[in-house]
Amino acid sequence: SYELTQPLSVSVALGQTAKITCGRSNIENINVHWYQQKPGQAPVLVIYRDTFRPSGIPERFSGSNSGNTATLTISRAQAGDEADYYCQVWDSNTEVFGAGTKVTVL
Amino acid sequence: QVQLQESGPGLVKPSETLSLTCTVSGDSISNYFWSWIRQPPGGVLEWIGYVHYRGITDYKSSLKSRVLMSVDTSKNQLSLKVNSVTEADTAVYYCARFEYNGYNYFDLWGQGALVTVSS
Repeated sequence: SYELTQPLSVSVALGQTAKITCGRSNIENINVHWYQQKPGQAPVLVIYRDTFRPSGIPERFSGSNSGNTATLTISRAQAGDEADYYCQVWDSNTEVFGAGTKVTVL
Repeated sequence: QVQLQESGPGLVKPSETLSLTCTVSGDSISNYFWSWIRQPPGGVLEWIGYVHYRGITDYKSSLKSRVLMSVDTSKNQLSLKVNSVTEADTAVYYCARFEYNGYNYFDLWGQGALVTVSS
């Protein structure tokens, strides 16, 4: 199965926009899902099927998927958005998670 | 409101069997597929497999020889067994509701249970 490539860390100023990428060859051809995990807590689904937001997830969270890169965008970043973010796909009959990106809000 | 709660021994000896239970409240376990996912301390998420109450299962290929998942509809619980454990199996184990609909994602997670493998 293919690995998913995520940056180790992303920093964003309070109120600004953070973009977290998830790379894989032709990732646009499969559905990408995103999870937020705060320290000591279970992951929470924030985006599914590339662009859909579960109920209760703020509109500040959005997703896109094109070419070899899927992107999770956090607009108007808040201190409470500090967390690890994981992308996930279904590939070769198995679930694959990215290694995670630590988002720091400055 | 659907909730998931993992339970089981927090310490398992090497070569023995790890056993965990996930109790589902707020909905019937028969309505969905369910997965187990683990995360080593400071590590990344690893999918272990999924299970359906009709006995449908699939496991990560590298774990398939050691893993067994099942569902008890009378108790609204799912269970995980991993045999012949080593220290590499030390992790927080999560149960999660699995949207097995062609899109395949985990839309609800339990809080997780830490299992340490040590003599």
